[in-house]
Amino acid sequence: DTGVSQDPRHKITKRGQNVTFRCDPISEHNRLYWYRQTLGQGPEFLTYFQNEAQLEKSRLLSDRFSAERPKGSFSTLEIQRTEQGDSAMYLCASSLRGREVSLGANVLTFGAGSRLTVL
Amino acid sequence: KQEVTQIPAALSVPEGENLVLNCSFTDSAIYNLQWFRQDPGKGLTSLLLIQSSQREQTSGRLNASLDKSSGRSTLYIAASQPGDSATYLCAVCGRDDKIIFGKGTRLHILP
Repeated sequence: DTGVSQDPRHKITKRGQNVTFRCDPISEHNRLYWYRQTLGQGPEFLTYFQNEAQLEKSRLLSDRFSAERPKGSFSTLEIQRTEQGDSAMYLCASSLRGREVSLGANVLTFGAGSRLTVL
Repeated sequence: KQEVTQIPAALSVPEGENLVLNCSFTDSAIYNLQWFRQDPGKGLTSLLLIQSSQREQTSGRLNASLDKSSGRSTLYIAASQPGDSATYLCAVCGRDDKIIFGKGTRLHILP
């Protein structure tokens, strides 16, 4: 396993177009997280999944943003009708969340990110 | 709502000095706290993870401490080197498994 993969690494699009990013987590990881990061800021939490179940989506930035993880493996993040303010790095991370909550697991492994530039 | 703050926002120190980066969080009900390093234009690399039951973790020249009751963690870097220059991020995993990041400390080690 080569870690968390994200595709594409860089996407340039015109305002109003739709874009989709893909994340392939580490194969045995059941948790998958999406973050957005703008220049000089820390990663901003967007949404996360336990297998195929989306646990929270209230932090998605607007209804133009949606994420799926249909088979509990790879995930996609789609942005519809892109705006210039959507330009950012979109980061995916995965982790293995065990049943034993006291173990305090959930070590995140990040992908290299997908950089979006909206012209 | 968990909030994570990192101080200072930026730090420059001469090579060889020891230094401390600070992280504070508002909700002490956490599972763990993780420190990451990020080089410009790159993804995040995990440095250390401290579970809620632990007080500190060490890896080489790095030592991270956790005081859950006061909502604080520190990352200590000994004998700093130019290669340590990067942004250091603190991330807190809450009881709901949401992992929230601070804005980071930009560290510059002067040769």
